[in-house]
Parts: sequence; C-alpha cells; structure tokens
Amino acid sequence: AQKVTQAQTEISVVEKEDVTLDCVYETRDTTYYLFWYKQPPSGELVFLIRRNSFDEQNEISGRYSWNFQKSTSSFNFTITASQVVDSAVYFCALSERGSTLGRLYFGRGTQLTVWP
Amino acid sequence: GAGVSQTPSNKVTEKGKYVELRCDPISGHTALYWYRQSLGQGPEFLIYFQGTGAADDSGLPNDRFFAVRPEGSVSTLKIQRTERGDSAVYLCASSLTQGVNEQFFGPGTRLTVL
Repeated sequence: AQKVTQAQTEISVVEKEDVTLDCVYETRDTTYYLFWYKQPPSGELVFLIRRNSFDEQNEISGRYSWNFQKSTSSFNFTITASQVVDSAVYFCALSERGSTLGRLYFGRGTQLTVWP
Repeated sequence: GAGVSQTPSNKVTEKGKYVELRCDPISGHTALYWYRQSLGQGPEFLIYFQGTGAADDSGLPNDRFFAVRPEGSVSTLKIQRTERGDSAVYLCASSLTQGVNEQFFGPGTRLTVL
C-alpha cells in the first residue's frame, strides 16, 4: 500500500494565485516525520521542510505554509501568491521511527505549473 | 561547500551490460542513501549506508543490484546484466548522521538501457 498519497498529479495556476498541494500519509508508527521536497526542471531534489509527528503547529516560511493535521493524516502545502519560479514537481515524503531512520517514502509528486 | 555529486550524469547501455554509478556525498556526512526514480514517480528507496556498512538494503529489487561504500565516503551502485526495466534516474542522498535529518540529494544519474 502507498504510504504517501498525492492525489493531484498536475496543477496549473496563474501567477499570484494561491495554490495548495495535498498530501495524505499512512503509518502505524506513533513517531514519524513528514517532509516536502521540490524538484525543479533541473532535477535536483530540494528540501523544504521536516515536521515530526508530535508537532502539529502550522508553519509559515515566506510565501510557503504547511498544515499538519494528524486527525486526517494530512500534511498539506500552500504557496501564497505563486510565481513562475515555483513551477516544479513537489514531493511529500514520510519517514517512520520503526523502519530505517531516514528512509524516505515518497508520494508520486504533484507537477505545479505557474503561468505568467 | 560542494553538494552531493553523481557521475556520470547520463549513462546509455545495452541490455545485458554491467554499469557502475558513482556518488560523492557531502564531506563529513556519514549517512548515504540510494533511491531510484522512474518517470512520473517519486523516488524509491534502494539502500542505506551508515559509514561503510549497508545498514538496510531491503529496497534493492534483486541480486543484480549491489552497492558498496568501502571507505565510508564515495559509494558505487553496481548493476549487472542490465534490463530495460532498470532505466530510471538513480539518486544519491547524504545526511550528516543517521536519523531523520535533512537529506541532501545529488543531481542523479539517468540510466537508459536499450
């Protein structure tokens, strides 16, 4: 079974629109970690955020914000006032305390295209 | 400082051939991971090294795949008798220590098996 589900395969928005990328995860561990990575056209994965299962506080970093809700097993990512440079594939990932620490289970990714 | 580097960036080979893919982690990073990313998919875990030893190789698809890290730094992923289904981007990542630290990814090696 897929541990991380990103149901949105592709999203297109126009610059300055807000966009939310969904991530739903599945784990039996009580201690786990969630990540978001960005993969621009160059191909190199860029770390965006790590959140542990005991910290449900939402986080904001500039135009980026993350909403972690254990009740719905979701860790959604919102980009406010999107820009063309935000165009990339975004991956949500899970690491479980019960398996190899650091081993990441990735979702299939969401291709975000921001049009000028 | 230098990031994770991988060579070659592209590798085209024929079915049945042997290939080696190299990863140079960030200096001082003891944890090293290999992932494989097929087109339109997220990266899938292959193997994890802590120092010189393979701490978890459960992601290797079969015994044609093998990886080493003899001195605890550079790692080589080796694929014997390549098959067309092995075509993918092979990603290497390193982190400062084991655990759920940030993993820094390299640019990947795109392997094409004809």
